[in-house]
Amino acid sequence: QQPVQSPQAVILREGEDAVINCSSSKALYSVHWYRQKHGEAPVFLMILLKGGEQKGHEKISASFNEKKQQSSLYLTASQLSYSGTYFCGTENKDSSYKLIFGSGTRLLVRP
Amino acid sequence: GAVVSQHPSRVICKSGTSVKIECRSLDFQATTMFWYRQFPKQSLMLMATSNEGSKATYEQGVEKDKFLINHASLTLSTLTVTSAHPEDSSFYICSASYPRGPRPMNTEAFFGQGTRLTVV
Repeated sequence: QQPVQSPQAVILREGEDAVINCSSSKALYSVHWYRQKHGEAPVFLMILLKGGEQKGHEKISASFNEKKQQSSLYLTASQLSYSGTYFCGTENKDSSYKLIFGSGTRLLVRP
Repeated sequence: GAVVSQHPSRVICKSGTSVKIECRSLDFQATTMFWYRQFPKQSLMLMATSNEGSKATYEQGVEKDKFLINHASLTLSTLTVTSAHPEDSSFYICSASYPRGPRPMNTEAFFGQGTRLTVV
């Protein structure tokens, strides 16, 4: 049930771009993206509700392909503060209100 | 954004004892709260859905008698780890959302600060 994220880890130099993918085997109502720093609670980034929806949040944006049950998070011109672990949370159509989180993608941005 | 407060942030207990973790929604009423467990460098694994005024719904493989959940009010859910063992040591984190209408979930889940449990 857990969505699969790729890559598992990525290292960037400041200013570089990255894409994080989230793929589910289940039909989805929505996809949520969070970033977590070590020892802290996850921080909300954005929600995608409709298939084909794209959203932007400063230099972080995301897309949701409902048919493929996939979402991607795009990080452009990365900053040091982007370092952390990124999780997608999926709301499956065959279950009640709850988020199932993906395996996570560890991102390190170096100067 | 809404605030969810979790207490304590850290706890060390002896093997065999029980530990209670509180999760409060400070500025909204949460009919549903969620409890997750997270091992180092791993994902957040949903343990159970806490429903105000009714029994919690546990995920497959989670022991109901081990992890007691009580959601006595619209702002408070508690997780009690009973007869704790070293393997229960983990990061426990709760989340809550605003009451919602038709699917999908169109509001973010607000997370508590998490509780680092160490059983010695």
